[in-house]
Amino acid sequence: AQKVTQAQTEISVVEKEDVTLDCVYETRDTTYYLFWYKQPPSGELVFLIRRNSFDEQNEISGRYSWNFQKSTSSFNFTITASQVVDSAVYFCAFSGSARQLTFGSGTQLTVLP
Amino acid sequence: ETGVTQTPRHLVMGMTNKKSLKCEQHLGHNAMYWYKQSAKKPLELMFVYNFKEQTENNSVPSRFSPECPNSSHLFLHLHTLQPEDSALYLCASSEILVSFDNEQFFGPGTRLTVL
Repeated sequence: AQKVTQAQTEISVVEKEDVTLDCVYETRDTTYYLFWYKQPPSGELVFLIRRNSFDEQNEISGRYSWNFQKSTSSFNFTITASQVVDSAVYFCAFSGSARQLTFGSGTQLTVLP
Repeated sequence: ETGVTQTPRHLVMGMTNKKSLKCEQHLGHNAMYWYKQSAKKPLELMFVYNFKEQTENNSVPSRFSPECPNSSHLFLHLHTLQPEDSALYLCASSEILVSFDNEQFFGPGTRLTVL
């Protein structure tokens, strides 16, 4: 069975600081996908990124970047120059042979002005 | 309407009531999902439908009864709920079920309070 751990329950930063959200997963699958979702106060989960297990190249999208390291089973998410609008709960998720999304417990990020 | 919509957004019900949650997706997807999100807990998958057929029931109590009349609509019928069932219920959809890259699109959720 797979498991996703987000050890950081809550993080607070001041605007313009960089922040990294950690995600560690456990699986015996060799082929799988990893995801990050953002849940703003409005409730719906917003898809941010999908990464497959064969692509360890880091990705950057604007102020967002993701560091996938298979050797440590981690898929960390960094927000550069954080903004108040980044305040939300962020979920890391896994999809493998079970064809289901397994979510971590989420990290509540608060960006203070 | 675009994306995935859910109604109602908020629901308060007594333990003896019967109510239904509705989800509609406007994305042409074939798989739909119900999740339960309780405070401080990971999202829990409840039910999965693929081409209107239920493919997954994750040991959900029978007081929750799903219905999928077509690929665009999903209902969750509620009866004799318990206070611990209070949570945010999220609906999601994806193109197909069989793919690993299971990108799901979520609705805004229904905040349910059981008194």
